[in-house]
Amino acid sequence: DQQVKQNSPSLSVQEGRISILNCDYTNSMFDYFLWYKKYPAEGPTFLISISSIKDKNEDGRFTVFLNKSAKHLSLHIVPSQPGDSAVYFCAAVRLYGGSQGNLIFGKGTKLSVKP
Amino acid sequence: DAGVIQSPRHEVTEMGQEVTLRCKPISGHNSLFWYRQTMMRGLELLIYFNNNVPIDDSGMPEDRFSAKMPNASFSTLKIQPSEPRDSAVYFCASSFWVSLNQPQHFGDGTRLSIL
Repeated sequence: DQQVKQNSPSLSVQEGRISILNCDYTNSMFDYFLWYKKYPAEGPTFLISISSIKDKNEDGRFTVFLNKSAKHLSLHIVPSQPGDSAVYFCAAVRLYGGSQGNLIFGKGTKLSVKP
Repeated sequence: DAGVIQSPRHEVTEMGQEVTLRCKPISGHNSLFWYRQTMMRGLELLIYFNNNVPIDDSGMPEDRFSAKMPNASFSTLKIQPSEPRDSAVYFCASSFWVSLNQPQHFGDGTRLSIL
């Protein structure tokens, strides 16, 4: 059973508008949540993260919101740019023994930002 | 600064053959991760190492898969014998293991096709 779910395989947004990518999880023990961006023929690159004790983290045009009671997080991109077109992966991790644990990834959402 | 380097970028071989994928992590990183990406299962962790020691190999699908990390700057993932269902993109990632402010950095992957 998938612990991290991205239910929208694709999203299309007009340039300049807001992109909202959603992610749901089932394991309440996750300590951190991360978003990665992936261009074709490249590896995923880290975008932004949020601790489970916070509800918002902002970095420039990117903001991640966490709703622990709903086990839901979202990534907002404002304003969206054509260069943001990529596949976005949500990931979650438990920390144990002080070490970085396994990243559990969703299946990704393909964002297309149209000029 | 060099990122995670994987080789080869593409591999096409016949079923039954041995396949060896290679990874050079970022210098100074002491955690190394092998992932497999397929359409059906998305990105899934196969195995990870801390300080060259395998920590969790529960994601390795079968005994046909093996991974080694003989030193801090090199790791291999071997499939012997290979089967068509092993066709996927295989990613290697590395990180500093003590902090999630230092996220995993991914290589560009090896696209493996088993005929």
